[in-house]
This record gives sequence, C-alpha cells and structure tokens, in this order.
Amino acid sequence: EPEVTQTPSHQVTQMGQEVILRCVPISNHLYFYWYRQILGQKVEFLVSFYNNEISEKSEIFDDQFSVERPDGSNFTLKIRSTKLEDSAMYFCASSAGTSGEDNEQFFGPGTRLTVL
Amino acid sequence: GEDVEQSLFLSVREGDSSVINCTYTDSSSTYLYWYKQEPGAGLQLLTYIFSNMDMKQDQRLTVLLNKKDKHLSLRIADTQTGDSAIYFCAEKVWGYNKLIFGAGTRLAVHP
Repeated sequence: EPEVTQTPSHQVTQMGQEVILRCVPISNHLYFYWYRQILGQKVEFLVSFYNNEISEKSEIFDDQFSVERPDGSNFTLKIRSTKLEDSAMYFCASSAGTSGEDNEQFFGPGTRLTVL
Repeated sequence: GEDVEQSLFLSVREGDSSVINCTYTDSSSTYLYWYKQEPGAGLQLLTYIFSNMDMKQDQRLTVLLNKKDKHLSLRIADTQTGDSAIYFCAEKVWGYNKLIFGAGTRLAVHP
C-alpha cells in the first residue's frame, strides 16, 4: 500500500541553524501539507501546497518557514533560523484531491525536531 | 472560531465497546475524520464522514454525526489490546483544505 515517507525520523539542531525536513508524498497525489505537534499539544496545520504554490498557510507559517517541491517526488519544509519553540513533531501529509473520495489526507510517520 | 474538543482519556475492558466523543464549533464542517496514533508512529486515517451523513460503519468502527449538536463519536466494537492508542478527531471546514484537530483521546484497553 502506498504511503507517505519522511526523513530524517529525528533531527537535532542548534538554535539559529537552518533545517530542511523531507517528505515523499504518495505518488499520484496533488495536494501536500505540513502539520506540527508540539509535545503535549494539538496537531496544528502549517501550510498546504498545490500546483507548485502555497494554497493555504497558518499564522505559524511565518517568514522563517518555506516549502518547496524541488523535483517530482520530494516535498520539503525549511526552517531558516530555528528557535527553541520550533521543537516539535513535524508531519507531512498528502491527498489526491480535496473532495469526495479524494479528500483523505494521509500522514507520514513524522520528523521529531529538537532545537537546543 | 474553529475548535475541536475531546475528552483526554478512556479506559475499557477488552471485548467491550469503546465510544470516543468529539465536539466541534464550526457549523460549516464538510468532512470529519478519525485518526489513530500508536506510540512513536504517525497519524493513521481510520475513517471519515461527510457532513450530510448521520452514520458510517466500517467493520468494527461506527461513526455517528449529530450536526445539530456538533457532536461526533467513534464506536469501536469488541475492543482489543491492539486498539490502545490516541484517537484524534479532526474537521475540515468549507472553503479550506486544512484539518483542525482535537487534542486526542488516549484509549487504554485492559484485560
């Protein structure tokens, strides 16, 4: 069964450093998402991406964040200058569409980001 | 504003039914979802219901939606130890693709 994959599973970085989290969505999906879950808190939406551009973003997704689909398979989240409060589990998700049977968002296993 | 609330913890005996409840505030929800998260794992989509439906059944899972009360429930029949996990309720609101999650209900199944 096709699945969303994410690398690395755990990333440790120093405050102020740049990190890139990588995701490979399900191959025939067109919509891509990033969510995060700070320990003990709710899963929060960050951004959605369709047709090579951002379609929605939350207020969390400020200028420190960017997303890219550098090739036909990868979808990346970059944090330019990490802060302590960026420590969280970051989930990538993808969906074939946004309505009907295609509305389902399938999640990857997550990347745990620890900022020291 | 959009908000999704769940009770934090549920304990059931193996073989009994579990009912996990969720309330939401936005009346323009289009789809409502249940995700399962096992320790150290990602979010597994269990089932979803379209907002014009009242009920959906999928094997041991039954989803009930009361739009008037903005209440969603997930019933797991014949609960097994492998069902122990955190269950997240989520909604999608008309005009948006983002999912809004509840805090999750930890289900503990004991013999």
